[in-house]
Amino acid sequence: DTAVSQTPKYLVTQMGNDKSIKCEQNLGHDTMYWYKQDSKKFLKIMFSYNNKELIINETVPNRFSPKSPDKAHLNLHINSLELGDSAVYFCASSPAGYGLTFFGQGTRLTVV
Amino acid sequence: AQTVTQSQPEMSVQEAETVTLSCTYDTSESDYYLFWYKQPPSRQMILVIRQEAYKQQNATENRFSVNFQKAAKSFSLKISDSQLGDAAMYFCAYIGNEKLTFGTGTRLTIIP
Repeated sequence: DTAVSQTPKYLVTQMGNDKSIKCEQNLGHDTMYWYKQDSKKFLKIMFSYNNKELIINETVPNRFSPKSPDKAHLNLHINSLELGDSAVYFCASSPAGYGLTFFGQGTRLTVV
Repeated sequence: AQTVTQSQPEMSVQEAETVTLSCTYDTSESDYYLFWYKQPPSRQMILVIRQEAYKQQNATENRFSVNFQKAAKSFSLKISDSQLGDAAMYFCAYIGNEKLTFGTGTRLTIIP
């Protein structure tokens, strides 16, 4: 039983396309996140949701739109993909007050 | 803003020896958590160890221990009896206001 699962694991697509990455957690956590890991392995938060409400929205192009239909799911939709969007995207979740953050296995997005 | 600094981009250690990875951070908060995450080539983010800032005692998990110096804002990771499976990227991370901030990582190589 995977705690935080995201699909797909790999995604190769052409510039200009629109794509989505899905994330689900079965830990009962209230908070979910999207992180981006660039080619230099640097990890940076993109979005944070708490109980379906957007809490953190870092400086991210508005081509990126997160959607949380319920507190167990946080999807990431990306419009008009660009070469610079190529990265590994991690979904994560955490319970309130404990500091622990659990990560999904990552989605490697390659834009060609 | 919180920042996390890992000054060692790469480290190597002989198998069975001990290695220490450095991490410093900057924050004005008094209550926070610090973490070390391991990222092997599989890219999964694996929690290695966690330290709560209000606890003076250094956290330990089997062969992994930390040296937490709150006044100096230093949080180093010691790996004892290094094993081949310890080879990975290691990320130091901080969470205070529910946003996990990562250092730039240290790539650890184990020499057989």
